Amino acid sequence: DVKVTQSSRYLVKRTGEKVFLECVQDMDHENMFWYRQDPGLGLRLIYFSYDVKMKEKGDIPEGYSVSREKKERFSLILESASTNQTSMYLCASSPSGGGRPSGNTIYFGEGSWLTVV
Amino acid sequence: DQQVKQNSPSLSVQEGRISILNCDYTNSMFDYFLWYKKYPAEGPTFLISISSIKDKNEDGRFTVFLNKSAKHLSLHIVPSQPGDSAVYFCAASEWGYGNKLVFGAGTILRVKS
Repeated sequence: DVKVTQSSRYLVKRTGEKVFLECVQDMDHENMFWYRQDPGLGLRLIYFSYDVKMKEKGDIPEGYSVSREKKERFSLILESASTNQTSMYLCASSPSGGGRPSGNTIYFGEGSWLTVV
Repeated sequence: DQQVKQNSPSLSVQEGRISILNCDYTNSMFDYFLWYKKYPAEGPTFLISISSIKDKNEDGRFTVFLNKSAKHLSLHIVPSQPGDSAVYFCAASEWGYGNKLVFGAGTILRVKS
């Protein structure tokens, strides 16, 4: 059974804290993604990675960084959390597709609810 | 500027009737479109997709229609069931951008029994 695991489901952090959101996939996928979901805005891509130690900015990278030291793990880092980063964060993974997405091979984790106070 | 738009935040439908969810896009380079379904406290799951070389794709109760000239797609669910109540996201991708998807804001579907 395929699995994308986000280790923290619910977090409450203080403004200015450094926050780590961890994501692990067990499918040997090359691609990994971090999205945030906000009401009325849908899912917005923060960062993605096509390979180990490789990262690319998505549509809203400001205030975030990522780390991919191992193929199965993709971490999202909030260097100094702010209240406007209160959101649901979704990690996803997929195999490399030669430029063609296949929706049923993109797997999402269950999400991490982050509240910054 | 949202490249994928779902202009209806919510839709309420009677069980057994048809649900029609709409999606518009602005980027003419998009050539692959997907619908995802999301329950509260869960990640999105893939529902159905369509390539720009087609205008219709069907999978059981779910059919997606694509009108390239209008940059519009729709998801039809027939018949609607209470278990279909969820948030539906439309997503799009460009060739060469792998599995990088651009999502719409989502439509909350409520199917009343």
